[in-house]
Amino acid sequence: AQTVTQSQPEMSVQEAETVTLSCTYDTSESDYYLFWYKQPPSRQMILVIRQEAYKQQNATENRFSVNFQKAAKSFSLKISDSQLGDAAMYFCAYRSALLANAGKSTFGDGTTLTVKP
Amino acid sequence: SQTIHQWPATLVQPVGSPLSLECTVEGTSNPNLYWYRQAAGRGLQLLFYSVGIGQISSEVPQNLSASRPQDRQFILSSKKLLLSDSGFYLCAWSVRTRETQYFGPGTRLLVL
Repeated sequence: AQTVTQSQPEMSVQEAETVTLSCTYDTSESDYYLFWYKQPPSRQMILVIRQEAYKQQNATENRFSVNFQKAAKSFSLKISDSQLGDAAMYFCAYRSALLANAGKSTFGDGTTLTVKP
Repeated sequence: SQTIHQWPATLVQPVGSPLSLECTVEGTSNPNLYWYRQAAGRGLQLLFYSVGIGQISSEVPQNLSASRPQDRQFILSSKKLLLSDSGFYLCAWSVRTRETQYFGPGTRLLVL
């Protein structure tokens, strides 16, 4: 079974600065997807960024980028120019690409990000 | 565009009472559907998933059950709620197995 570990329960960053959230995972599969989701106080899960394991290039979405290290099974999220609206709980998620697994996802326990003005 | 609805948004129920949470998806056909539960301050735990009408797979043995009576409707039920059933329940969908999951707004359940 796959596991996802987020070793930082809480992080804080000064507004306009950069912060990196860590995520490691364990799997024996070679084809999979990795995601970062944001959960603000409303508790709506919002997709931040997605990475396909077969792609070597790191995904980027505006101020959000990832550092995907497949051999190390590491998938960190970098938030540049942090804004007050970035404050939320961030979840790392693993999703198998095997059809037999029907797209089931495994989530980490989350990192609560505080943005200081 | 696709949208996903969940209701009710909040529910307070006594121990031993029945439960029915509903999730519907609009704007797509034959989606994969998922029920997750989130305990306070924790990640999401997959409870059930469905790849088609009447096809339900359970991930965790528990006091809950799921049904998919229509293509875009997913229902989470219980005959008798336990205190441990309290939590935040999220429904999600994806177009296919290899596609991104999108989540509904969730239901806050408090069992007293």
